[in-house]
Amino acid sequence: DAGVIQSPRHEVTEMGQEVTLRCKPISGHNSLFWYRQTMMRGLELLIYFNNNVPIDDSGMPEDRFSAKMPNASFSTLKIQPSEPRDSAVYFCASRMTGIYGYTFGSGTRLTVV
Amino acid sequence: GEDVEQSLFLSVREGDSSVINCTYTDSSSTYLYWYKQEPGAGLQLLTYIFSNMDMKQDQRLTVLLNKKDKHLSLRIADTQTGDSAIYFCAESMGDSNYQLIWGAGTKLIIKP
Repeated sequence: DAGVIQSPRHEVTEMGQEVTLRCKPISGHNSLFWYRQTMMRGLELLIYFNNNVPIDDSGMPEDRFSAKMPNASFSTLKIQPSEPRDSAVYFCASRMTGIYGYTFGSGTRLTVV
Repeated sequence: GEDVEQSLFLSVREGDSSVINCTYTDSSSTYLYWYKQEPGAGLQLLTYIFSNMDMKQDQRLTVLLNKKDKHLSLRIADTQTGDSAIYFCAESMGDSNYQLIWGAGTKLIIKP
């Protein structure tokens, strides 16, 4: 099992540009989470999908952020337009309902200049 | 509201035991977790403990839970340089279980 796969690993973009982060969860896992990690705020849950349906998006900072999960094996997190304060490491994690604990991907380090 | 607190740093000598502490506030927590994050990597689940347990041991790791004091600890025996990482404590919220409340993480520094 390759684990949770995220791409790209690093992204540097200019303010105002659109950024798309990608995630492939572990096959068979039916829950998917997007997290953001910063020094100032620690780990923040952005959105949670269960069976491809967004269940909790209360952590999405603002309308510039959107997430989709078109099928069980793929999810995207999009920021449009990006701002310097969006710079962070974005993690995707997945799990199977009833199995405790998540499996995290290696993250995407986003830098907006 | 719910809160999980940890010390930011812990420094130990190689070969000694490390004890990382965590306090939480939600008495309805069902599971408590320890995750490890190495530099440039994601978070790796080390172990978890159900709220009706006092202790769980897994090789060099021992988790102790004092539910009365809402205190959780992770003991790493015979600490090695490969244990250098940030260790996060997290609790699951009540019945929903998917939502984890995270501590800020404790950076474990190993001295030779």
